[in-house]
Amino acid sequence: QVQLQESGPGLVKPSETLSLTCAVSGYSISSAYYWGWIRQPPGKGLEWIGNMDHTGITFFNPSLKSRVTISPDTSKNQFSLKLTSVTAADTAVYYCARRVRDSSGYHWFIDSWGQGTLVTVSS
Amino acid sequence: DIQMTQSPSSLSASVGDRVTITCRASQDINNHLAWFQQKPGKAPKSLIYGASTLQSGVPSKFSGSGSGTDFTLTISSLQPEDLGTYFCQQYISYPLTFGGGTKVEIK
Repeated sequence: QVQLQESGPGLVKPSETLSLTCAVSGYSISSAYYWGWIRQPPGKGLEWIGNMDHTGITFFNPSLKSRVTISPDTSKNQFSLKLTSVTAADTAVYYCARRVRDSSGYHWFIDSWGQGTLVTVSS
Repeated sequence: DIQMTQSPSSLSASVGDRVTITCRASQDINNHLAWFQQKPGKAPKSLIYGASTLQSGVPSKFSGSGSGTDFTLTISSLQPEDLGTYFCQQYISYPLTFGGGTKVEIK
């Protein structure tokens, strides 16, 4: 059974870069599926940030696209999120997640989540 | 972007009640809809995909239906462990989008 675990600094200063890592166990990220990030500001709903496929091709939310990078580290079976020029509005719990293929063969749904990590943007 | 609208935003029901949550998409998403349960302080848990297919290990008291733009999640007999917030999400096109959530409380 796949497990995902986020890690990274819990506090980031405004205008700096948020960097998180998602360590994956139980499945190789270079074999198949999509691997991505979702965030949830305190007391609010869920926002999809972006994901990469198993070859490293990425797709991002247009609202964040100019500031986001998602990249794999296949040697450690993990992938990372970088979000530049952060503000207080980027304060949120960040989740990594896996998407797998549905019965149509053309669409992908989330089947597994990490436990989440809170990142606060403050000076 | 496809907008996902859930109703109600919150509900309070008694143990044993049948609970129904509605999710509406701003355009046709066929059956490419998922439901998630989020208990307080925890990560979301995947419940349903394909509008009506239960994820492995999800109890059969949960069911989903719908296609096109209108969907429902039903809990057949509400139990105390079902309290939390439920989200729908479309995955037919980018950007993936979520409903605002329905908070379920126990009377």
